[in-house]
Amino acid sequence: NAGVTQTPKFQVLKTGQSMTLQCAQDMNHNSMYWYRQDPGMGLRLIYYSASEGTTDKGEVPNGYNVSRLNKREFSLRLESAAPSQTSVYFCASSEAGGLETQYFGPGTRLLVL
Amino acid sequence: AQTVTQSQPEMSVQEAETVTLSCTYDTSESDYYLFWYKQPPSRQMILVIRQEAYKQQNATENRFSVNFQKAAKSFSLKISDSQLGDAAMYFCAYRSVANTGNQFYFGTGTSLTVIP
Repeated sequence: NAGVTQTPKFQVLKTGQSMTLQCAQDMNHNSMYWYRQDPGMGLRLIYYSASEGTTDKGEVPNGYNVSRLNKREFSLRLESAAPSQTSVYFCASSEAGGLETQYFGPGTRLLVL
Repeated sequence: AQTVTQSQPEMSVQEAETVTLSCTYDTSESDYYLFWYKQPPSRQMILVIRQEAYKQQNATENRFSVNFQKAAKSFSLKISDSQLGDAAMYFCAYRSVANTGNQFYFGTGTSLTVIP
């Protein structure tokens, strides 16, 4: 049981390049999330998916797109990377109902030059 | 949107001593969940403790306990018998029960140093 996995762990991009961050969970959770973490700002929600087939914008969605490929996988795409997107990105998942504790992946450190 | 405030960017504690981390939140809702997460240098986010707002009893998990003051909208974390492994960034988080969007709101974190 790996929990929440993310790939890659680290990536360097040039401004204007595109890339997709992958996330998968093996806990049969309905909900999945993408956050970015910047110094002094805590975690901010980019997009989330309450259930398979649905996605919604969070607090900071501009410049990102997401795909809920199936119940297990939730990817985050940067179509044209900008230096302001340099950050650490976390994927998380949670069950529907109950306390809905979020379980986090190990993070992806992204540097946009 | 709800806001979560952690007013202590940094805290330190002597090993084996007790430390309390503060968290306040702003909401008009009556039912919600509150969480404390720990983020060590590995960056992995780890759940420390959680509290349901409708429960008056404060949650405890071994050396970790909370002081939940609903009227004051305060949710502090107490770490007893601090250990070197407790050194980490700690985040307070809020989740609405009624919010069908499943959004969590996080504070900006408190960096805890444990002094040997």
